[in-house]
Order: sequence, then C-alpha cells, then structure tokens
Amino acid sequence: AQSVTQPDIHITVSEGASLELRCNYSYGATPYLFWYVQSPGQGLQLLLKYFSGDTLVQGIKGFEAEFKRSQSSFNLRKPSVHWSDAAEYFCAVVHKYGNKLVFGAGTILRVKS
Amino acid sequence: DVKVTQSSRYLVKRTGEKVFLECVQDMDHENMFWYRQDPGLGLRLIYFSYDVKMKEKGDIPEGYSVSREKKERFSLILESASTNQTSMYLCASSSLQGVDYGYTFGSGTRLTVV
Repeated sequence: AQSVTQPDIHITVSEGASLELRCNYSYGATPYLFWYVQSPGQGLQLLLKYFSGDTLVQGIKGFEAEFKRSQSSFNLRKPSVHWSDAAEYFCAVVHKYGNKLVFGAGTILRVKS
Repeated sequence: DVKVTQSSRYLVKRTGEKVFLECVQDMDHENMFWYRQDPGLGLRLIYFSYDVKMKEKGDIPEGYSVSREKKERFSLILESASTNQTSMYLCASSSLQGVDYGYTFGSGTRLTVV
C-alpha cells in the first residue's frame, strides 16, 4: 500500500534561516506528489505539486521541492523563513487508483524571532 | 473565488446522537472527499464520491456513512456519535482531472462528542 512518511513531527527554525521539511513515500510507480500547508484554524492550501519533468518544482510563497526517485523523497525547502510560515505542512501522494490523496502525518513548523 | 464550504466550523454533540456534516462546492467538481484529521496521524480518508449517488469507502469508514444526492453537496453522517469520533473533519473536491488540477479543501468542522 502507498504510504507517506514525514519523519519530523515538529521543527523550529529562526526567522530568516533556511528550511527543509522531509517527505518519503512508498509507491510502486512514479507518484504524483503534493505539499500542502495548513495555518491554524484554516483548511489546506496547495503549495506545489510534482507530476513529471523537471524534478525541482517551484510553488507559492517562495517554496520549492525536489523529487529524488533514488531516495523516494520529495523534500520541501525555503531559503529564508518568515514568521508567517509557521503552520503545519503535509506531504501527500495520489492513491494508486487515482484521485485519492494519501497524506503524511504532518510537520508543525515553528518560527522563532 | 471557487470554494468548498463546510456548514459548521464547530459542533458539540452528545454520545449516541446522529450527526450530519455538510459540504458544498461551487466548482462543478465530480469528486468529493471526506477526511478526518487527528494530531500525529495526518489526514485519513473516510469516504469519497466520484458522482451523484456514487460512493466508495476510504481507509477508515467504520462508524460513518455518506450521502450525495446532488453534485455540489456531500454529507458525512455519524449514525451514532461516539467520543472517539471527536476530531477535525475536512471536505475536499476535485475535478475528474483531480491529479492535474488539484484538490480544494474546506476550512474544516471541529466536532466534539461529549
């Protein structure tokens, strides 16, 4: 079965520092991969997605992610974190039958000033 | 602005009550989903629907049912609410090309069963 692992439950970074959130997936074929962000009390907002082609994808709010097939990873990065980036981040992969997203457990990002 | 609207942000219900969570989308999407979100577990799929009156079980359907009588509306039903169903519930929709066009999520309903 498909699965998504986000090994870090909490991460704290200083404002202005770089950020990398890890995501590993288990899937039999090339997956479709997503990163979502959830601010407190809000629904999920799509940051970026990967389907095929260039393995480095750019998203909104200055985020990017790199697909590495050899490592089954899709890590999210941002060069300089802002206090407003504090939120929970979810990595997701589409279900093998299509249309059903499978989510990781999420990573809570705290930003300290 | 396209939207997925969940009728209630917060609900408090008693054990044994029948609970309806409503979700409406205005994007003419074919697919609709109900997820449950719990700390440390991420989002888990309860049910989804790919057409009116069609439904399929997700990963954790026990204790839940759904109804989709109109394309824009997808209801989650807790037949007899229990305390272990206290959670955040998120509705989402996508087009048939959901993988390409992404999913749109509602703001969630936080349900407390006492």
